[in-house]
Amino acid sequence: DTGVSQDPRHKITKRGQNVTFRCDPISEHNRLYWYRQTLGQGPEFLTYFQNEAQLEKSRLLSDRFSAERPKGSFSTLEIQRTEQGDSAMYLCASSLLGRQTYEQYFGPGTRLTVT
Amino acid sequence: AQSVTQPDIHITVSEGASLELRCNYSYGATPYLFWYVQSPGQGLQLLLKYFSGDTLVQGIKGFEAEFKRSQSSFNLRKPSVHWSDAAEYFCAVGAEAGGTSYGKLTFGQGTILTVHP
Repeated sequence: DTGVSQDPRHKITKRGQNVTFRCDPISEHNRLYWYRQTLGQGPEFLTYFQNEAQLEKSRLLSDRFSAERPKGSFSTLEIQRTEQGDSAMYLCASSLLGRQTYEQYFGPGTRLTVT
Repeated sequence: AQSVTQPDIHITVSEGASLELRCNYSYGATPYLFWYVQSPGQGLQLLLKYFSGDTLVQGIKGFEAEFKRSQSSFNLRKPSVHWSDAAEYFCAVGAEAGGTSYGKLTFGQGTILTVHP
């Protein structure tokens, strides 16, 4: 078990470009979460999946954001027409549904810089 | 809506000194409470959690936290800090089972801990 992995670790893009991040959760985990963390703040919830179903989306997730988990394994988070305000660390976490639901294991994050 | 407040943005202690990081939460029902630690460039690591039962919970790396319902607090403590404890610490609250938000965590803004030798 190699833990939660995220790719890429860093992404620099120009305003208006589209970006896609990938998260590979711990293999047997059926819950997958995306959070966003800006400088000096704690992570903010964006969305989560239970298997392949997206069960909740935060109001922070504007129409430019979309997330998928096509086969209940890895997940992607896409941001279209990036804006400078999208610059942040995007964190992925996974857990098992049940008593361990809250034992969320976090990946190292993808740091996005929009210039 | 649930919320978490960590009143101290930055705390500095000497190595070997005791530590207490404050956390206050707002939640309408019995909260699920957590402390996470984040080192620079790293993801978050779960230190400890409170679901129910004994209000004093033990975690990894010698940390403990006490749930005080009357004060809506869940403060993190360590009797003797090591230089390797320098990091950012986040308190979080989770929604209870039964709703679609079950599993979602709401974090405080974090407390940066600096340890002087």
